[in-house]
Amino acid sequence: DIQMTQSPSSLSTFVGDKITIACRASQSISQFLNWYHQQPGKAPKLLISAASILQSGVPSRFSGSGSGTDFTLTISSLQPEDFGVYYCQQSYSSPPITFGGGTRVEIK
Amino acid sequence: EIYLVESGGGLVKPGGTLRLSCAASGFTFSDYSFSWVRQAPGKGLEWVSSISSTGLHINYGDSMRGRFTISRDNARKTLFLQMTGLRGDDTAVYFCARGASASVVTAVFEYWGQGTLVTVSS
Repeated sequence: DIQMTQSPSSLSTFVGDKITIACRASQSISQFLNWYHQQPGKAPKLLISAASILQSGVPSRFSGSGSGTDFTLTISSLQPEDFGVYYCQQSYSSPPITFGGGTRVEIK
Repeated sequence: EIYLVESGGGLVKPGGTLRLSCAASGFTFSDYSFSWVRQAPGKGLEWVSSISSTGLHINYGDSMRGRFTISRDNARKTLFLQMTGLRGDDTAVYFCARGASASVVTAVFEYWGQGTLVTVSS
């Protein structure tokens, strides 16, 4: 199974700041990496697929990069609605489909 | 607009059975694969099972294989998850999610339902 590790597990930051979340795969997954955002009590929402493809309707302040084993999600200017938990997920090899443990983003 | 609406969750005793449903609308149901993803209280996301558009290809997570059965009715535009032998660690919100293509290989979850809570307790 491919293990996905996210860092940091949580962060607290200000509106307007730039943040970066890292995701590492236990083996190469090419660019088969997706990012989701989940607000409390809500379903996850797909932000980015294939490491860097922004989904329709997702603000351009979000961007993704990486390939192989190391990936990053960047929010260029954090907005209040960006709080919640971010998950990476590999779609390179299944079963099983695996998610990272999540990164909780809090707004100061 | 695309909607996925889960139902069927509830309180069940250990060893019990439950059948979840996910009703879809706003797109051609038979064109897409579907998955179930669960989230235990306060925990992260865990993939449960996936089914291809035709229902011919099915995958399960290790702890679910042999206890859970995923199926779909393309005429009724509905996805199902039959859960048997339920255990306390199956307690979670269960989400249905639409895949990006007909195949289970393209494991990108484009749309999600709001989830249904399954609680396994005596």
